[in-house]
Amino acid sequence: KNQVEQSPQSLIILEGKNCTLQCNYTVSPFSNLRWYKQDTGRGPVSLTIMTFSENTKSNGRYTATLDADTKQSSLHITASQLSDSASYICVVKGQGGKLIFGQGTELSVKP
Amino acid sequence: DTGVSQNPRHKITKRGQNVTFRCDPISEHNRLYWYRQTLGQGPEFLTYFQNEAQLEKSRLLSDRFSAERPKGSFSTLEIQRTEQGDSAMYLCASSLETGGNSPLHFGNGTRLTVT
Repeated sequence: KNQVEQSPQSLIILEGKNCTLQCNYTVSPFSNLRWYKQDTGRGPVSLTIMTFSENTKSNGRYTATLDADTKQSSLHITASQLSDSASYICVVKGQGGKLIFGQGTELSVKP
Repeated sequence: DTGVSQNPRHKITKRGQNVTFRCDPISEHNRLYWYRQTLGQGPEFLTYFQNEAQLEKSRLLSDRFSAERPKGSFSTLEIQRTEQGDSAMYLCASSLETGGNSPLHFGNGTRLTVT
């Protein structure tokens, strides 16, 4: 069964600290992997899209990694800010273009 | 604002009533998607359109749900005889699908509460 599992389910960190969110997937065949940020009460916003051949991709303070062999991805946030508080959703695109969403990691950045 | 627009932002309705939501995608985008999201979960696929053609519907979508995209522009999602279990955030997204790596652009959703 095609699944996307994210961990941790929730995370609290202090402003200025770094953190890493994990995404494991069983989707096969694999087309690409996406990370989205979703603020409370808003729609998700795309952070990165990584294809099979890409190992690392950065977008400002966000860096995503992908290991297609182990079917794992991570999203690293550097020097966190209060505005980083949000849900981070990992999405894998599989066969036929179907998008499979993880349940998200709820990040809370405290002052 | 040239992003995806959804209306209304909030809808409260009584069980058994019909509701209709509207989505205006980014103008040049050929694909339009509807998702449903409940608290603490990722979005759940409902249906999508390529231009005006509805190409796929989730098996989870009951016959009380119907979506249209006349002329390949805006889309409407109608829920008939609403139930309390329909309470959720309904998200619309659009994309310009070319090579398969196009990001989805989401609207801010319509939050439905069925009392």
